[in-house]
Amino acid sequence: QSVLTQPPSVSGAPGQRVTISCTGSSSNIGAGYDVFWYQQLPGTAPKLLIDGNSNRPSGVPDRFSGSKSATSASLAISGLQAEDEADYHCQSYDSRLRAVVFGGGTKLTVL
Amino acid sequence: QVQLQESGPGLVKPSQTLSLTCTVSGGSISSGNYYWSWIRQPPGKGLEWIGYIDYSGTAYYYPSLKSRVTISVDTSKNQFSLMLSSVTAADAAVYYCARVREAYTNPRFDYWGQGTLVTVSS
Repeated sequence: QSVLTQPPSVSGAPGQRVTISCTGSSSNIGAGYDVFWYQQLPGTAPKLLIDGNSNRPSGVPDRFSGSKSATSASLAISGLQAEDEADYHCQSYDSRLRAVVFGGGTKLTVL
Repeated sequence: QVQLQESGPGLVKPSQTLSLTCTVSGGSISSGNYYWSWIRQPPGKGLEWIGYIDYSGTAYYYPSLKSRVTISVDTSKNQFSLMLSSVTAADAAVYYCARVREAYTNPRFDYWGQGTLVTVSS
């Protein structure tokens, strides 16, 4: 059971927009800790996709955007492309556990 | 460009100790601005933080693993290592090493190794 909750899967057709939610609690996202998103392409290591809730590292297309509100965060992907098919993981810090925490990951399927 | 590379046995027997090393290139572990972390991913599951360490040896661990985990650093070799004792089948996973930014405020992982699969079997 992951500390942060993500839907196991989402899907969308090419060109569409999808969102992935990440729900936490008052000891992590709700405590003001930033949320980070990672993209994990099949068979590869995760890659930092969204830094500090909504910032895109250099090289990340602006089709990817992140937001945070209260005890949850969201990753939005617009203009879906086949190469976006991957697992997406959210991450934050939990003050009660004194630990880095992850969501269970969401598999994005491009139909 | 910082690169990280995991190495170590891919097969560990139950009850024994898993031992992995991460070699860092393109940057110095001793730079002081970063922590260095181990993260694992059981087959078909999500990511799990194991712990991280800085160049001085100050380490933090995930609470449920703390009694079995030791992370150490060797600045002369620009390496850091993971030891996980008394392994069971539940410890089978791909193990990643990664660099941590802003460990004291909002830790995040900006560079990752390619990962190494560890199987637990007799």
